[in-house]
Amino acid sequence: GNSVTQMEGPVTLSEEAFLTINCTYTATGYPSLFWYVQYPGEGLQLLLKATKADDKGSNKGFEATYRKETTSFHLEKGSVQVSDSAVYFCALSATYNTDKLIFGTGTRLQVFP
Amino acid sequence: DTGVSQDPRHKITKRGQNVTFRCDPISEHNRLYWYRQTLGQGPEFLTYFQNEAQLEKSRLLSDRFSAERPKGSFSTLEIQRTEQGDSAMYLCASSLGRDPPNTEAFFGQGTRLTVV
Repeated sequence: GNSVTQMEGPVTLSEEAFLTINCTYTATGYPSLFWYVQYPGEGLQLLLKATKADDKGSNKGFEATYRKETTSFHLEKGSVQVSDSAVYFCALSATYNTDKLIFGTGTRLQVFP
Repeated sequence: DTGVSQDPRHKITKRGQNVTFRCDPISEHNRLYWYRQTLGQGPEFLTYFQNEAQLEKSRLLSDRFSAERPKGSFSTLEIQRTEQGDSAMYLCASSLGRDPPNTEAFFGQGTRLTVV
């Protein structure tokens, strides 16, 4: 079945450090891939998405590239800020079905000044 | 439109009681989803509606769970005879649902259920 695996947290960084959160997936067909973010006390928000191989999603300085050959969708940011502290979820949606999302377990990011 | 809203935000109930949660999606969205999230885990899909039709239910949704979306607008999720294992955050999401699929899902802030 379809699944998403992401690195365990917490990831602890100093402000302006480089961020990578790894995400790999297993899916039949050609899923769409997403990163959602959950800030403290708030609901899940879509951060970025990519709908086909080699697409790059980007938003707020975050980027992720859909790599079909490695079944990966790693999240990166060149310089994190304290305000980026949140839980990040990688997710997929199978194209032959609905917009139903399958999520990874989430990675908590803590950024210190 | 203020987004997806869920009510209540928190619910504490005794084991064996019934509870009902409400979700109001974004007004023009045809698709509505329920997810459950336990501590340290990602959300898990429970069920999904296209307008008023319930099109898919997860095996996670036992017979004690029932969801409705009577007029294709708001939805309710009822849990009968609650158990401690039902304690979780229940999330609702909605999307436009037009072709092609994989449009953005917007999430509510969730209802946190604690069964004591």
